[in-house]
Parts: sequence; C-alpha cells; structure tokens
Amino acid sequence: GNSVTQMEGPVTLSEEAFLTINCTYTATGYPSLFWYVQYPGEGLQLLLKATKADDKGSNKGFEATYRKETTSFHLEKGSVQVSDSAVYFCALSDRIGSARQLTFGSGTQLTVLP
Amino acid sequence: DGGITQSPKYLFRKEGQNVTLSCEQNLNHDAMYWYRQDPGQGLRLIYYSQIVNDFQKGDIAEGYSVSREKKESFPLTVTSAQKNPTAFYLCASSPAEGVGVAQYFGPGTRLLVL
Repeated sequence: GNSVTQMEGPVTLSEEAFLTINCTYTATGYPSLFWYVQYPGEGLQLLLKATKADDKGSNKGFEATYRKETTSFHLEKGSVQVSDSAVYFCALSDRIGSARQLTFGSGTQLTVLP
Repeated sequence: DGGITQSPKYLFRKEGQNVTLSCEQNLNHDAMYWYRQDPGQGLRLIYYSQIVNDFQKGDIAEGYSVSREKKESFPLTVTSAQKNPTAFYLCASSPAEGVGVAQYFGPGTRLLVL
C-alpha cells in the first residue's frame, strides 16, 4: 500500500535559518504530492503541490521538488520566520477505485525562535 | 467567502452517547471527507463521499456513520460503538476527481469524552 515517511520532529531553528523537512513516499502508481501546514488548533492549509516527476511546487518562500528516482518530496525554505512555526504534513494522492485518497505522513513540528 | 465550516469547535460526549459533528462547504465541491487526527500522528480517513447519496468507508470507519443528503453537507456521527473517540476531527472537500486535485480542510472539531 501507499505510505509517506517524514523526518521526525520537533525541529527548532533560529529565525533566518535554512529549513529542510525530509519526506519520502511509497506508491504503486504515479501519485501527486502535497505539503500541508497546520497552525495550532486549526485545520490543514495547502502549502504547495506537484503532480509529476521533476515538478517544483512553491509558495510563500517554501519549495519542494518531486523526485521520482529517490521517491522524495523534501520541503525547503531559505530563511524561516517565527510565523512559520507550525506542523508540516507531507501527503500523496493516489487513486482508490473511482476516487483519490490522501495518505499523510505523521507530521513534523517546526518551532522558529526569534 | 467560500470555505468549509465545522461545528461545534469543541464537543463533549458522555459514555454511551452518540454525537454528530457538522461539516458544511460552499465551494461547490463534489467530494467530501472526514479524517481523524490523534496527537503526534498524521490524519486517518474515516469516510468519504464522491457524490450526493453515496459514501464509502475509509481506513477507520468502525464506530462512525455519515450521510450525504445534500452536496453542501456531510455530517459525521460518532456512535457509542467507538470506544476511543477522543481526537481532533477534520472535514475536507475537493473538486471532482482529477490529477493534482487538492483537498481543502475545515477548522476542525475537538471531541472529548466526559
């Protein structure tokens, strides 16, 4: 079956540091890949996505590249801010019958200190 | 503004009681989903619905029930058969099936057992 593995947290960085959160996946088909962000007590917000190999998704300074050869979709940001503190989820979307299902990683807690 | 609303924000359940969580969307999305989130874990799919009057079980459907009588609404009932209901419940919706289609999430309902 499909699965998503994220680097374990929590991750603590100083403001303006470089961020990498690793994500690898296992899927039988050709999934779409997503990063979602969850702020405390809230639902998930779509951060970025990529639908095919070598696609780069980007949003709000965050980037991730769909690497089929390494089955990875690592999240990066060049300079984090305190406001980036949240839980980040990597997910893949694959077909289940006539529908598409999201499979999530366990999430990575990021804390950015001023 | 278009979006997904969930109510209540907090819900308390007594032992042996059924409770219903509300989810409404005005995004004109065909598909709707219910997820359960436990601390330190990713999201797990409870039920999903691709069209009105049709729904399918997800990975952890036991102890839950749903209905889809209107396109905009997808309520979730947590029955007394669910022995460990304490969790954060998230509703999501998405447009009709397609590659790279993302799911959009509501703010969540936190269910606590008295």
